[in-house]
Amino acid sequence: AQKVTQAQTEISVVEKEDVTLDCVYETRDTTYYLFWYKQPPSGELVFLIRRNSFDEQNEISGRYSWNFQKSTSSFNFTITASQVVDSAVYFCALRAGGGTSYGKLTFGQGTILTVHP
Amino acid sequence: NAGVTQTPKFRVLKTGQSMTLLCAQDMNHEYMYWYRQDPGMGLRLIHYSVGEGTTAKGEVPDGYNVSRLKKQNFLLGLESAAPSQTSVYFCASSPRRPNQPQHFGDGTRLSIL
Repeated sequence: AQKVTQAQTEISVVEKEDVTLDCVYETRDTTYYLFWYKQPPSGELVFLIRRNSFDEQNEISGRYSWNFQKSTSSFNFTITASQVVDSAVYFCALRAGGGTSYGKLTFGQGTILTVHP
Repeated sequence: NAGVTQTPKFRVLKTGQSMTLLCAQDMNHEYMYWYRQDPGMGLRLIHYSVGEGTTAKGEVPDGYNVSRLKKQNFLLGLESAAPSQTSVYFCASSPRRPNQPQHFGDGTRLSIL
């Protein structure tokens, strides 16, 4: 069985602070994919990033960066110099790579990020 | 670019009523999914489909039925709505390749009184 844990239910920061959202996963599969989605107050789910289990290279995209560590089964997300527009619910999700998984996603509980001006 | 379209966006039902949520995708994706989102629980998979005419149960299938008569459409039905089914429902689709993200609709907010 797969499991994704986002231990931080809510985080509140002041604009320009850096913030890290934690994600820990469990899976028996050797090939899998990790995703981060953003859900702004408007409600839609926006895809942010995908990481393959065989690629531990960290990634930076503007103010966003992701740290993937297989040794600790973690895929953490950092926002540098946070802005009010970053306020949203962020979900980490896991997808097994096997053919019988049919692309199903297992989601974490989500972290509510509030950035105050 | 429509992507994944869900109808309706909002609905209020009385206990025992039935309804169907519609999902349509125009990306020619093989896989489609229905999730429900409840506070503090993330998104949970209700049912999914890997192709036209095929459906399968997800994590929380009880009280729901689905059908996929056409590749682009995936319908979610509530035969006898219960207050516990008050939730936000999301439809998603993805291509067969596992490294591709799922694309989500904007959600349907359903309240059962």
